[in-house]
Amino acid sequence: EVQLVQSGAEVKEPGESLKISCKGFGYSFTNYWISWVRQMPGKGLEWMGRIDPSDSYTNYSPSFQGHVTISADKSISTAYLQWSSLKASDTAMYYCARAGNSGSYNYWGQGALVTVSS
Amino acid sequence: DIQMTQSPSSLSASVGDRVTITCRASRSISNYLSWYQQKPGRAPKLLIYAASTLESGAPSRFSGSGSGTDFTLTINSLQPEDFATYYCQQSYNALTFGGGTKVEVK
Repeated sequence: EVQLVQSGAEVKEPGESLKISCKGFGYSFTNYWISWVRQMPGKGLEWMGRIDPSDSYTNYSPSFQGHVTISADKSISTAYLQWSSLKASDTAMYYCARAGNSGSYNYWGQGALVTVSS
Repeated sequence: DIQMTQSPSSLSASVGDRVTITCRASRSISNYLSWYQQKPGRAPKLLIYAASTLESGAPSRFSGSGSGTDFTLTINSLQPEDFATYYCQQSYNALTFGGGTKVEVK
C-alpha cells in the first residue's frame, strides 16, 4: 500500500529554523515526483514546489522560491521541506503529495501543522 | 505563471442536485487539469485527472470535461458525503491550484 507519512506538528518561534519530512512507503520512491502544498488557516491550496527524488532536481513556485528549500534523501525514501528563519505568516498546514498520471497527485501525506508564534 | 480561476467560490445545494463547478486557465493547458475534493481536517483527494479521467475508486457521479482554458466538474445526484471543498489544479506548466469551491448544504 502506498503511503506518505509526514512528521508531526511543530510549534516554533519567529526566526527559528525548521525541517519537516515526508517518508514514502510501498512504492519505488525515486520513480515519482513529490510536491509540497501549503494551506493557511481557512484558505485554499498553494503549490510550493516539487522534487524529483531520483536526482533531487527541484522546481519552485515563484511565490516560495528563496523562502523554503525542498530536498530529498532517496536512501531513506524521504523528502523534506525546510525554513531557515520562520515567520508568523508561515503558520499553516503543509502537505506532501506524490505525482500520478498527467501531473495529478493521487497520494497525499496526512499533513503537518506548523505554528509560528512568539 | 498560469492562473486558475474557479467559480463559484461557494454554492448551496441539496442532496440529489446536479452541481457544476467551473475552472478557467489564464492560457491553454491542453487537458492537464485535475480535480480534488477536500473535507475539513483532511488531505485533498484526487477525483479526476487529464480533465475527464475518473480516478480509481472515485464515485462515477463525478465527471469532468473541457480542454484548453475552460473546464467543468459535474456532480450528478449530490450525496451527503459530497459536501466539501473542490479544487482544480493545472499541471501544464509547473502546478497551480484554483481558489476552491465550497459546496454547502442548502
